[in-house]
Amino acid sequence: DVKVTQSSRYLVKRTGEKVFLECVQDMDHENMFWYRQDPGLGLRLIYFSYDVKMKEKGDIPEGYSVSREKKERFSLILESASTNQTSMYLCASGDRGYEQYFGPGTRLTVT
Amino acid sequence: AQSVSQHNHHVILSEAASLELGCNYSYGGTVNLFWYVQYPGQHLQLLLKYFSGDPLVKGIKGFEAEFIKSKFSFNLRKPSVQWSDTAEYFCAVRSSNTGKLIFGQGTTLQVKP
Repeated sequence: DVKVTQSSRYLVKRTGEKVFLECVQDMDHENMFWYRQDPGLGLRLIYFSYDVKMKEKGDIPEGYSVSREKKERFSLILESASTNQTSMYLCASGDRGYEQYFGPGTRLTVT
Repeated sequence: AQSVSQHNHHVILSEAASLELGCNYSYGGTVNLFWYVQYPGQHLQLLLKYFSGDPLVKGIKGFEAEFIKSKFSFNLRKPSVQWSDTAEYFCAVRSSNTGKLIFGQGTTLQVKP
């Protein structure tokens, strides 16, 4: 079974803090994705990566950056957290078959 | 811009009732279509997918979906729902151009025992 793990299930941070969300997959997938999930808005793509050290902006990249130094690990960085970044963050990985496998999510609260 | 629209935001059914959740997308080219489900407290997981061939696709747990190209639709159906089907359901479309998955807003299904 594909396993996608995320470093934290719940996280509380203060406005202005730098936040790191980590994601690890164990299936040697080339593609990895970060989404945020908000009620009534579904999932929106923040960033994705097709290979190590490569990244592409998704639909809502503002206020976020990413890092992919190893194939299995994809990090999402909030340089200076703001309250409007309070959300559920989902990481996913996928292969050339286009199906994506999701992690359990990190519920981030910025106060 | 590509978009995916799910018409029902919150559906409440009694057990054994039939289910149909609507999904329409705006992209006119070649697409791959997905339904994902998120049970309370669990990961988002794939319910079924359509890439090509028979437009009627069968998934896990008795769910099926029909791709109607002329209507840009991919509606999810189940003849008889169970209490355990209570979950949030997401339709998603992947365009061959961008390679990205675009998700709908989600539909919360509540099944009353």
